[in-house]
Amino acid sequence: DADVTQTPRNRITKTGKRIMLECSQTKGHDRMYWYRQDPGLGLRLIYYSFDVKDINKGEISDGYSVSRQAQAKFSLSLESAIPNQTALYFCATSDSLAGGPDTQYFGPGTRLTVL
Amino acid sequence: GNSVTQMEGPVTLSEEAFLTINCTYTATGYPSLFWYVQYPGEGLQLLLKATKADDKGSNKGFEATYRKETTSFHLEKGSVQVSDSAVYFCAPRGKLVFGAGTILRVKS
Repeated sequence: DADVTQTPRNRITKTGKRIMLECSQTKGHDRMYWYRQDPGLGLRLIYYSFDVKDINKGEISDGYSVSRQAQAKFSLSLESAIPNQTALYFCATSDSLAGGPDTQYFGPGTRLTVL
Repeated sequence: GNSVTQMEGPVTLSEEAFLTINCTYTATGYPSLFWYVQYPGEGLQLLLKATKADDKGSNKGFEATYRKETTSFHLEKGSVQVSDSAVYFCAPRGKLVFGAGTILRVKS
């Protein structure tokens, strides 16, 4: 079984709808991340969480919110989806080593299309 | 600030050709450096890393040497295969930033 899973894998929705993307991990890591990937722009950080009670905004948090329900679960919500949020979304985890996040382990991604 | 600059792609090579993908970075301190690979339809996975200046990371025939004086971490492979076709990302440890990614296409 995969260490980091994301659901759904694909989603098509309409402008204005509320969408939740879910991420679960079995690696036992404290740190979890949400990124979006757009062609030519690489990965950009949306939100990150270093433990269950810690939530931090990333580079592009506007229009998104997150919830860290447990050590193993980190969900991303789009309160009112808009077309420019069409992208590939990745969840990732890492261990909590001194010196900052080390190797990140990524889920398979969720392809979201907002019409 | 922390940023990573990668060579633009796509890079298209014939099988068994030599590969270089350039990466330069600016970051506070001298963090460990990573190369991640993203195969079609998958998430990123670690390819190799180097933890300090002059350190060389290697895996699956790929190598990268951490050059402190030029702040570079170029990825190389002596003989690419069709199965190496993927997107490659350079990233410094702990900064939560990635390069824009370089698409590699290898033709048989």
